[in-house]
Amino acid sequence: DTGVSQNPRHKITKRGQNVTFRCDPISEHNRLYWYRQTLGQGPEFLTYFQNEAQLEKSRLLSDRFSAERPKGSFSTLEIQRTEQGDSAMYLCASSPAGGEQFFGPGTRLTVL
Amino acid sequence: KQEVTQIPAALSVPEGENLVLNCSFTDSAIYNLQWFRQDPGKGLTSLLLIQSSQREQTSGRLNASLDKSSGRSTLYIAASQPGDSATYLCAVWTGGFKTIFGAGTRLFVKA
Repeated sequence: DTGVSQNPRHKITKRGQNVTFRCDPISEHNRLYWYRQTLGQGPEFLTYFQNEAQLEKSRLLSDRFSAERPKGSFSTLEIQRTEQGDSAMYLCASSPAGGEQFFGPGTRLTVL
Repeated sequence: KQEVTQIPAALSVPEGENLVLNCSFTDSAIYNLQWFRQDPGKGLTSLLLIQSSQREQTSGRLNASLDKSSGRSTLYIAASQPGDSATYLCAVWTGGFKTIFGAGTRLFVKA
């Protein structure tokens, strides 16, 4: 399978805990994106990587959020000290330069 | 600041009808525009990508057009089917590497 994969698919955590999500992009894609989506809304851009460099970061991404893409392959998104407002679907996408973005199935986070 | 608006927010049509979904954006300085469909609780499926230098793209029963100067794109769906029921989202890729999405149009095709 050459699609974008995300793990875990679902995560339930208690407020104040840290969580980490993983995204494996399509192997030949050098661009990787993270988004957050809440019910009834379109995805909101969080951050963008070109290879291993994080080139854009939304103001939505507070200092509790951090993303990495070591060696320009998979990426991780970590949320520290989770809050109930962090409950959302976290989506990852990848693309070649200037090309279509292909999305993974998402990780649904529920913060109790 | 780029803003993307999709009208209508929801649409219900009988099977077989041709329909048009609208997407407008406030800043014409875009690199490309992409249309997606999203089924409930799922990720996004890419439908069509239009580069800024293109006017339209076609895939099967779908045709997307782009008018950068007026800040508009339309997605035309021919001969709609119940399986087309989903939320349709448009997104523009702007300078600064951001992708901005509209809130989507929820489409229901009645059998």
